[in-house]
Amino acid sequence: QSALTQPASVSGSPGQSITISCTGTSSDVGTYNYVSWYQQHPGKAPKLMIYEVRNRPSGVSNRFSGSKSGNTASLTISGLQAEDEADYYCSSYTSSSTYVFGTGTKVTVL
Amino acid sequence: EVQLLESGGVLVQPGGSLRLSCAASGFTFSSYAMSWVRQAPGKGLEWVSSISNSGGSTYYADSVKGRFTFSRDNSKNTLYLQMNSLRAEDTALYYCAKVVAGWAAAGPHDYWGQGTLVTVSS
Repeated sequence: QSALTQPASVSGSPGQSITISCTGTSSDVGTYNYVSWYQQHPGKAPKLMIYEVRNRPSGVSNRFSGSKSGNTASLTISGLQAEDEADYYCSSYTSSSTYVFGTGTKVTVL
Repeated sequence: EVQLLESGGVLVQPGGSLRLSCAASGFTFSSYAMSWVRQAPGKGLEWVSSISNSGGSTYYADSVKGRFTFSRDNSKNTLYLQMNSLRAEDTALYYCAKVVAGWAAAGPHDYWGQGTLVTVSS
């Protein structure tokens, strides 16, 4: 159950688009379309932003979108805003019927 | 409104035991799988365990398997995490989280509590 691999940090200017990658294996991301993304602001509980690769829960801005290719999933934030500055975690269902999170990415809005 | 309220986190010595609880409200508790997720201070999220809506199936991370037991009481809308043989590396904020509809157990989590802090230290 090794954590999925994410870049430690990604930054962008307001209005720009950024993409966060999430690399797993054929036992998780590569086999299942069950990748989720969470946003976590400091001192707060995580918030579900994307589930099942590309589905957005009600209330989540359409500036957030997800995709997947092979063993790598991606979260794109378009029209970057100051409020998007947070930590982001990917996650995936696994072949062991368990769940694994990514290492986390700190997004900075310049 | 969905609410999840964790309790039971304290300072405990290595090798000790602890039981966390999570009281749920605002949704049909017995219809949903639930999970515990932890976060060590300054670190990332780590999935700990998930339980099916009936409590009949449970799944654990390798790091806690054999030491932690996840259970639920659907008559009381409450989750329990029995933690035995605690280690320093179990020190973390423990969140309970509701799994999205349609998932049997481990899956995406759409509602989270605010967490309860467990500190394992002598």
